[in-house]
Amino acid sequence: DTAVSQTPKYLVTQMGNDKSIKCEQNLGHDTMYWYKQDSKKFLKIMFSYNNKELIINETVPNRFSPKSPDKAHLNLHINSLELGDSAVYFCASSAPGETYEQYFGPGTRLTVT
Amino acid sequence: AQSVTQLGSHVSVSEGALVLLRCNYSSSVPPYLFWYVQYPNQGLQLLLKYTSAATLVKGINGFEAEFKKSETSFHLTKPSAHMSDAAEYFCAVSRFSGSARQLTFGSGTQLTVLP
Repeated sequence: DTAVSQTPKYLVTQMGNDKSIKCEQNLGHDTMYWYKQDSKKFLKIMFSYNNKELIINETVPNRFSPKSPDKAHLNLHINSLELGDSAVYFCASSAPGETYEQYFGPGTRLTVT
Repeated sequence: AQSVTQLGSHVSVSEGALVLLRCNYSSSVPPYLFWYVQYPNQGLQLLLKYTSAATLVKGINGFEAEFKKSETSFHLTKPSAHMSDAAEYFCAVSRFSGSARQLTFGSGTQLTVLP
C-alpha cells in the first residue's frame, strides 16, 4: 500500500492556467508538507501544515496555496502559472512528535509551457 | 540559521569500493541531521538520522554516518558500493518552525557506481 501518494504524476499546462496537485497519506500522520525540487535537484520547503497551524515559507508566492479537506489530504493549488513554476513537487508527512522523520510521495512533475 | 553543505555534487565509485559522501552543517544549537536518498523518478527515503544520541548512526542498506561536532560534519559511508546504490543523496538539518520541524536540505550528491 502506498503511504504517501500524489496525483497526477505528470502535469503539463500553459502559462496563466490554474492547477491543483493532490496528496494523500494513509499513515495516520498529522503534519504534511509541500516541497519544490528545481531542475538542479535543489529541494526547498514550501509549506508545513497540521490541523492547527500553517507555516508558509516566506519565499513562496501567494499564487500557491495549500488546502486540506481533512487530516489525510493536503492539496496544492497554483494560480496563474508561470514558466518558473516548472519543477517537481513533493508532498511529505510526519508523525506526531517525530516531525523530523518525513515520508515523501513520488512527486509530481509540473511543466509550464 | 541552520544549514548543510554537501561537498561534491557528483561522486563516482567502483562496485565494491568505499562510498564516502560529505556533509558539513552549520547550527547554533545541537542539530538533528539526516541523510535521505532519492532513486530516479522517485520521492525521498530516509536513510538514517542523528538526534543527539549515539554519534555513530547506522541506517538502511548498509549505510552509516558519524556525527563529529569538532568538525561540524556528518559524512555518509558504506564499506562496499553496490550498483543499486546509484542515486541522489541529500543531507538535511531540521529546525523548529512553529510546532513542526522543517527540513533544510543540502544541494545533493549524485552517486554513480561503476561496474
